[in-house]
Amino acid sequence: SAVISQKPSRDICQRGTSLTIQCQVDSQVTMMFWYRQQPGQSLTLIATANQGSEATYESGFVIDKFPISRPNLTFSTLTVSNMSPEDSSIYLCSVATGWDQPQHFGDGTRLSIL
Amino acid sequence: GDSVTQMEGPVTLSEEAFLTINCTYTATGYPSLFWYVQYPGEGLQLLLKATKADDKGSNKGFEATYRKETTSFHLEKGSVQVSDSAVYFCALSARGGSEKLVFGKGTKLTVNP
Repeated sequence: SAVISQKPSRDICQRGTSLTIQCQVDSQVTMMFWYRQQPGQSLTLIATANQGSEATYESGFVIDKFPISRPNLTFSTLTVSNMSPEDSSIYLCSVATGWDQPQHFGDGTRLSIL
Repeated sequence: GDSVTQMEGPVTLSEEAFLTINCTYTATGYPSLFWYVQYPGEGLQLLLKATKADDKGSNKGFEATYRKETTSFHLEKGSVQVSDSAVYFCALSARGGSEKLVFGKGTKLTVNP
């Protein structure tokens, strides 16, 4: 399966600031996704990152708060904007290498907001 | 909407014990079903999958069978090891996995020597 690298692996940030998380894959993939895992909770899809066009956001998530880019088939970024303590979570990138293929996940970014 | 209901944890077993983690789902159409595992401090790893009714997914001694009549996908292992200690997530997707994954709440398994 594809090798997925996420950076940073963890960070501690001040409230009101923004952080950009990178997801790099070692091969071209069809689909890229961003999920959030709040402390002790399950995973929730934030958005599907679309190559060359605006991301598709799930209910409850907006572009102004979580802008996403996907300039090519191997790279995507998620920005968490104007952070508050409620944004403290693990953010995970996942990819599917083709239609009807399972998703594989990166190791995640552990984000704490003070 | 689609949903996954997973056995609440935590589950604590002794090494070599039999494991069952129950998972049931609600979905329109015919989803694909997955078990993912999250080891401490790591991301999620795909453990096994099944894409149609009566399919059995298996990996590393774990098995799960897609039961359409009971809308279930229970995870089993005949003899657990300490290294199996992790959080296990049941999930579904409308396609083979290339669409949104809907996750259960996760079940934390601890295996004692």
